[in-house]
Amino acid sequence: SAVISQKPSRDICQRGTSLTIQCQVDSQVTMMFWYRQQPGQSLTLIATANQGSEATYESGFVIDKFPISRPNLTFSTLTVSNMSPEDSSIYLCSVEAPGDDQETQYFGPGTRLLVL
Amino acid sequence: SQQGEEDPQALSIQEGENATMNCSYKTSINNLQWYRQNSGRGLVHLILIRSNEREKHSGRLRVTLDTSKKSSSLLITASRAADTASYFCATDYSSASKIIFGSGTRLSIRP
Repeated sequence: SAVISQKPSRDICQRGTSLTIQCQVDSQVTMMFWYRQQPGQSLTLIATANQGSEATYESGFVIDKFPISRPNLTFSTLTVSNMSPEDSSIYLCSVEAPGDDQETQYFGPGTRLLVL
Repeated sequence: SQQGEEDPQALSIQEGENATMNCSYKTSINNLQWYRQNSGRGLVHLILIRSNEREKHSGRLRVTLDTSKKSSSLLITASRAADTASYFCATDYSSASKIIFGSGTRLSIRP
């Protein structure tokens, strides 16, 4: 398995500002992903964070709004830019487990964001 | 984009009873995973079943997969209050390890 931590765990932000969320894994992983969960909804994949290259975004998500960094195999950041109340969600990172557990995706505890 | 559909959307049962949740999906998959989420917190991975498997067990959990019907079920036996949560299925359908989540089932266990 993999142990994943996220910072911050929650935040309240003003519209028009930006927030950077950090995701740290306790082991080196190849695949790392970012998800959004809007209130009362299921999870939607934002992008795949690629180490050493630009992230791969899903339909409906763009780099200018959600820039992602992946400087190494244990760490990634997601920035929510120019926030509006519609960005209020839980943001989660996930990784594909290394070793025998391969294919299993594990999730961080999430960052609960409220935009006023 | 593909998304699994789960039913029921909400389920309320008495403690000790069994709970069954179903997941349907649209295209061929590599595997299907079930997760639990308590009160908007992080997701807890429950079980993974591969496309060439038909049934898996883990403790009080039993998962079945029918690829011909593109459906899966999660059975929780002898339910407990601590099982109260939202349950999601997620299908791995690509070569890029991307998984797509179903709509979820909210399970409530009555004491």
